[in-house]
Amino acid sequence: NAGVTQTPKFRILKIGQSMTLQCAQDMNHNYMYWYRQDPGMGLKLIYYSVGAGITDKGEVPNGYNVSRSTTEDFPLRLELAAPSQTSVYFCASNGQGTGYGYTFGSGTRLTVV
Amino acid sequence: DQQVKQNSPSLSVQEGRISILNCDYTNSMFDYFLWYKKYPAEGPTFLISISSIKDKNEDGRFTVFLNKSAKHLSLHIVPSQPGDSAVYFCAASARPQGAQKLVFGQGTRLTINP
Repeated sequence: NAGVTQTPKFRILKIGQSMTLQCAQDMNHNYMYWYRQDPGMGLKLIYYSVGAGITDKGEVPNGYNVSRSTTEDFPLRLELAAPSQTSVYFCASNGQGTGYGYTFGSGTRLTVV
Repeated sequence: DQQVKQNSPSLSVQEGRISILNCDYTNSMFDYFLWYKKYPAEGPTFLISISSIKDKNEDGRFTVFLNKSAKHLSLHIVPSQPGDSAVYFCAASARPQGAQKLVFGQGTRLTINP
C-alpha cells in the first residue's frame, strides 16, 4: 500500500549511542517532516524538507540531523543519544496542492537508557 | 508557549450521542486548521480541515466549526460510534498548502461507551 514507512518500530539506545530512524514515502510528495511526541503532549516539529537537497529546522532540532538525498527518503539521525530524546517519532509527508494535511508513518518508539 | 491548546485530556460519550471536542489557539497568523485521529500504535490520520475563510466544514458525521474572533474551533461527531474511540489532535498552520509546519494541541482521548 502507498504511504509512509518508518523503521524500526521500536528501539532501545544507551546514552551516548547514535542511530538513524528511517523514513520512506512512495507518493512522490515534495514535503517531508519529522515530529516527536512526548507523553501527554502534542507533536513537535523537529526538521522538515521541501524537496531533495533542501532541509530546515523545526521547533526542536537540537540533537538531531537530517538529510534528503532523494524525494522518497528522509532519515533522521540522532547523535549522542540522551534520555530527553526518549519519545515516539513520526515521519510525515504531503504533496504540493493537496491541502489535506499529512500522511503519517506508524511511528518509532525510542527509549534512551 | 502553547500556541494550540486542547484543554480536555479526555472525553467520554455514549454511543449515538454527539461528541464535541474543543481547541483554542493564540497565534493570529494561523489560517488553516486540521483535526487528526490517532489509534494506539499507529500514526495520526487526517480527519477534516477548515480554512480561515470559512466558519464551518462538514464531512459525513464530522463537522468542524471555526470562531476566529474567539480563536476557537471545535469538532462535532454525530452520531458517535465505538470506532470513534481514539485520541484526537487539533493542529494549525499559517499556510494551507505546500510545506505545512503544523502546530499540534496535546490531544483529547475520546471514549465512546456502548
